[in-house]
Amino acid sequence: AQTVTQSQPEMSVQEAETVTLSCTYDTSESDYYLFWYKQPPSRQMILVIRQEAYKQQNATENRFSVNFQKAAKSFSLKISDSQLGDAAMYFCAYRSFNAGNNRKLIWGLGTSLAVNP
Amino acid sequence: EPEVTQTPSHQVTQMGQEVILRCVPISNHLYFYWYRQILGQKVEFLVSFYNNEISEKSEIFDDQFSVERPDGSNFTLKIRSTKLEDSAMYFCASSVTGVNTEAFFGQGTRLTVV
Repeated sequence: AQTVTQSQPEMSVQEAETVTLSCTYDTSESDYYLFWYKQPPSRQMILVIRQEAYKQQNATENRFSVNFQKAAKSFSLKISDSQLGDAAMYFCAYRSFNAGNNRKLIWGLGTSLAVNP
Repeated sequence: EPEVTQTPSHQVTQMGQEVILRCVPISNHLYFYWYRQILGQKVEFLVSFYNNEISEKSEIFDDQFSVERPDGSNFTLKIRSTKLEDSAMYFCASSVTGVNTEAFFGQGTRLTVV
């Protein structure tokens, strides 16, 4: 069974600085997706970024980028030029590629990010 | 922008009572999910639903739980005979179709069983 581990329960960063959130996972599959979701105080889960395991290039979305190390099963999220609105819980999640009709997400425990002005 | 809507945002119920959590997925989405998050624990998959039937369910999703899409727009989670340990945030999500489409989440319903 697949597992996702986020070893940093809490992180903080100064506004405008860069922070990296860690995520490791365990799987025997070769094809899969990895996600970072953000959960602000509004509680809604918002997709931040997605990485397909078959792609060697790291995904980037504006100030958000990932460092995907497939051999090490590591998937870290880098937030550049942090803004106050980035303060939230961040969840790393895994989904199988060959899932048929089953597209469930497997989640890490989350990292609470505080952004200091 | 289309979004997944969940009601109520907070539900308090007596132990042993039945609750129905409601979700309105995005209209052109075909896959629907329920997840739950007990305070301080991981988000857990409960059930996925496609083509008017359950496509996968977790060990948590036992006979106490059921899902329904009663009218083509709502997607409900019924919890019968609630227990204290059912207290959690319950998230509904939907996705279009295909393996590489993301799931969109609602804001969640906080269920408190007293």
